[in-house]
Amino acid sequence: QSVLTQPPSASGTPGQRVTISCSGSSSNIGSKTVNWYQQLPGTAPKLLIYDNNQRPSGVPDRFSGSKSGTSASLAISGLQSEDEADYYCSAWDDSLNGFWVFGGGTKLTVL
Amino acid sequence: QVQLQESGPGLVKPADTLSLTCTVSRVSIAIYYWTWIRQPPGKGLEWIGHIFYTGSANYNPSLKSRVSMSVDTSKNQFSLKLSSVTSADTAVYYCARRTIVQDAFDVWGQGTMVSVSS
Repeated sequence: QSVLTQPPSASGTPGQRVTISCSGSSSNIGSKTVNWYQQLPGTAPKLLIYDNNQRPSGVPDRFSGSKSGTSASLAISGLQSEDEADYYCSAWDDSLNGFWVFGGGTKLTVL
Repeated sequence: QVQLQESGPGLVKPADTLSLTCTVSRVSIAIYYWTWIRQPPGKGLEWIGHIFYTGSANYNPSLKSRVSMSVDTSKNQFSLKLSSVTSADTAVYYCARRTIVQDAFDVWGQGTMVSVSS
């Protein structure tokens, strides 16, 4: 059972816009910034979004993040086949002396 | 380009201690937080803990009693020890860099699979 809650799956067709949600609590998303990671099959995760809505250099602007209260979202516009991957949200949790928490991951399928 | 490389045994016996090392290349270890994250087969990511170059560490509360981390600045390496392992500790283990400015894991190793079995 992950501390952050994500839908296990999402899907869309090429060119569509899809969103992935991430729900937490006041001790994590509600008071800390959210990061998103993309994990392509058989590879290590890659930082996609940090500080709720910032993209590292090299990440296409098709990817965007937002946060409101104790929830966050990742949006992917102009969906491409290479976006098929697992996506994880993450945040620092202030409880129990602090620790990083992840969502359970959302598998995105491009139909 | 900063690189991280995990190394260690791929098979550990139940009740033994799992030991892994992460070698950091092209950046000094004496700057960032260095992190271990694991992923059981077919499952999600779990943060194990992180360590600063000074040796100050934080661990996941669910693993705290079995985890220890250390840093060797002379070798630009940091290490993980997880004691009393069971099959539930079977996972791909990643080392990663946590930047202070972004407060995120921006560089990851390729991961190393560790199986716990007799």
